[in-house]
Formats: sequence, C-alpha cells, structure tokens
Amino acid sequence: DTGVSQDPRHKITKRGQNVTFRCDPISEHNRLYWYRQTLGQGPEFLTYFQNEAQLEKSRLLSDRFSAERPKGSFSTLEIQRTEQGDSAMYLCASSNLEDEQFFGPGTRLTVL
Amino acid sequence: GESVGLHLPTLSVQEGDNSIINCAYSNSASDYFIWYKQESGKGPQFIIDIRSNMDKRQGQRVTVLLNKTVKHLSLQIAATQPGDSAVYFCAEEHTGRRALTFGSGTRLQVQP
Repeated sequence: DTGVSQDPRHKITKRGQNVTFRCDPISEHNRLYWYRQTLGQGPEFLTYFQNEAQLEKSRLLSDRFSAERPKGSFSTLEIQRTEQGDSAMYLCASSNLEDEQFFGPGTRLTVL
Repeated sequence: GESVGLHLPTLSVQEGDNSIINCAYSNSASDYFIWYKQESGKGPQFIIDIRSNMDKRQGQRVTVLLNKTVKHLSLQIAATQPGDSAVYFCAEEHTGRRALTFGSGTRLQVQP
C-alpha cells in the first residue's frame, strides 16, 4: 500500500494522559499536514511541515500539542494532558509541493 | 471570518441521475479549490481540483465548475451510483498558504 498510513487507528485514553500519533506519508512527499475533524464537520488545519521544517501552525494548536518530523519522513503528533474536548479524528495528509493533498485514514481519539 | 460553506447539508438522488453539490466561498484570495469525498470511518479522498485561472475541469464522471464572480464552486457527478454515497467537502487554499479550509460537508444519498 503506497498511501498515507496512520497509527493507531483508534485510541481511547483517560483525561490527563498523554497520547502520541504517528503518520507515514506517501514516499517522497515533502509536505506533511495534520488536521483535526470533529463529528459532522470538515477537517480543520493544525500544522504542516515541508521536509523537517514546521512552516505553519494553527491557533488551534495549543501548547499541549506538539508535532515533529525529525527526518523529513514520518511525523508524530503528541497531545499532553488530554481533555475531553480533544476527542476527534486526527487526519494526516501529504503532498508534493503544489500538488493535491492525500489523506490517511485518520486516528480516532476518545478522551474519557 | 472568511470561510468555505455549503448550501445543502443533505442531497438525495436516484441511482443514474446526475448530482450537483454546491459550495460558496468568501475569500477572494483563494486560488485553488478541491473536492473531497469522505466515507464513514475513512479519510477524505481527493476527487478533483481546479485553479482560479480556470472555470471548468472534467474528470471521470465528475465536473467542477468555478464562478469567481459570485465565489461559487460546484461538483457535478454524472450517472450517480450507490458507491457515490458519502459526505462531500469543498476546500480552498489561499495564495501563499498550504493549509486547506474545508466547508462542513454535504451528505449525498443515492437511492437505488
């Protein structure tokens, strides 16, 4: 499978715990994006990387959220001290420069 | 703030009919528009895109029309099939940015 992959697909955690999600982009795509999607809504942009540089962060990305792409390939999104409002689908996408963004299947987070 | 929106939350069509999904955008700086299809439990799937220097683009069974004068975007699906049932999102990209802004989606239901 040469598409964007995300792990885990589902995560259930208790409020206050830390969680980390992983995204593997399409091979050789130099741009990687994170979005969040709540039920019934369209995805909302969180942040994006070009290679290993994080070039833009949304105001939605509070200081409890951190994203990395250390080698310009896979990326991780960590949420510290999770809150119930963090419950959502976290989507990763990748693209080549000006080309369209291809999305992964998402990680569904439930915070109890 | 500026946003991308959709006229109808749900569209129900008969199998074999043509479907038209509409989208209004308000940011005149947007220069790239994309339609995505999202099935339950999956990430958005790219359907077709169009840049602001065009007013029409065709793909396989799909056509996107862009009217910059009234800031309107539409997706036409010919001979709609049950497999087309999903939520459809339009998304826009502003000049110089890579973050996509999504609308809230239209659910397409295809009746057999």
